[in-house]
Amino acid sequence: AQSVTQLGSHVSVSEGALVLLRCNYSSSVPPYLFWYVQYPNQGLQLLLKYTSAATLVKGINGFEAEFKKSETSFHLTKPSAHMSDAAEYFCAVSGGTGGYNKLIFGAGTRLAVHP
Amino acid sequence: KAGVTQTPRYLIKTRGQQVTLSCSPISGHRSVSWYQQTPGQGLQFLFEYFSETQRNKGNFPGRFSGRQFSNSRSEMNVSTLELGDSALYLCASSLEQGGTGELFFGEGSRLTVL
Repeated sequence: AQSVTQLGSHVSVSEGALVLLRCNYSSSVPPYLFWYVQYPNQGLQLLLKYTSAATLVKGINGFEAEFKKSETSFHLTKPSAHMSDAAEYFCAVSGGTGGYNKLIFGAGTRLAVHP
Repeated sequence: KAGVTQTPRYLIKTRGQQVTLSCSPISGHRSVSWYQQTPGQGLQFLFEYFSETQRNKGNFPGRFSGRQFSNSRSEMNVSTLELGDSALYLCASSLEQGGTGELFFGEGSRLTVL
């Protein structure tokens, strides 16, 4: 079975500081991995995805993530946080028996950005 | 290009009632998935439809059902509502079944059960 663990339900950074949101996955098959962002009272928006091509994936809004098979990790980073980055971030995995459109989500990490 | 549209956005029901939620996918998308989001359980997969057929189902009781129409629009129904069904129900569409998992989500229907 596939699963995702996001370390830290809340992360707080200063504006301009590095953002690092941690995600570890478990999968018996080569996974597809995703980061989604959710702003208050909205649905989820795809930030980036890993589908077995380049291990360093660049997404929207300056975010990127690196797939590390040996560590079963897919951490999300952004060099410099903006106030507008405050939101909840979800890591997700797919590719198991449910197919690639069945996403298994982590519990989410709420990012706060303070001046 | 219009995004995924979900209606209604907010609704309040009482225990024992039933509810139907609607989802219109992005034009040209044929796969529609539904997810339930709650503070306690997080985001959980309900089911996926493709070409009017349920292709995948999550671990939810039979009170949760859905269908897809020939125009790819989808509805989900919850019968005999319980307090624990209060949640944000998210619909997502994608181009095809078995795709790359790039789902496009609607803003959700927030259901409150009293």
